[in-house]
Amino acid sequence: DAGVIQSPRHEVTEMGQEVTLRCKPISGHDYLFWYRQTMMRGLELLIYFNNNVPIDDSGMPEDRFSAKMPNASFSTLKIQPSEPRDSAVYFCASSLPRPSTDTQYFGPGTRLTVL
Amino acid sequence: DAKTTQPPSMDCAEGRAANLPCNHSTISGNEYVYWYRQIHSQGPQYIIHGLKNNETNEMASLIITEDRKSSTLILPHATLRDTAVYYCIVRESGSARQLTFGSGTQLTVLP
Repeated sequence: DAGVIQSPRHEVTEMGQEVTLRCKPISGHDYLFWYRQTMMRGLELLIYFNNNVPIDDSGMPEDRFSAKMPNASFSTLKIQPSEPRDSAVYFCASSLPRPSTDTQYFGPGTRLTVL
Repeated sequence: DAKTTQPPSMDCAEGRAANLPCNHSTISGNEYVYWYRQIHSQGPQYIIHGLKNNETNEMASLIITEDRKSSTLILPHATLRDTAVYYCIVRESGSARQLTFGSGTQLTVLP
């Protein structure tokens, strides 16, 4: 398996523009997580899905952020409009929890810079 | 999830064993100890996890004390590529919730 795939790897945009980040989880995994990492706040969860349904979006900063999972093999995280404070590395992770293990596998991340 | 305490940084000579400690004195009976690491500019990577018995895989060994209040991750022969931030996370397995990352330990492997 190729692991969790994210695109783009780097994104530079101007304030006010729409940004869409993409994630393909590991085949067969039924949980998908979106995390954000900054120097100030470390790694924090934004939202996670189970079987394509959002379970907990309490970490989504505000209405400018939205996430979708139209099918088991694809998810998007959209920021509209983007702001400089959204600059961060965004990670997608997937897992297949079982009683004795729920290892999460992370993608390489998307480094977002909003000017 | 139980709180964990790790030293902020450690150094290790290349080729020697790296022993990374973690305290989790409030761990409950159904909580596992997980270790992840994050190499600079990469996503976090799973290393190993365990409940109460010592565990070993191709990457590392995990030693959990009998009272389960602390554990040690052992990288038997550290290489420069093992330089990373190592996170100890205590959680119920199968809970399918988010991982809560603390500050971790910055391990620097020196040539």
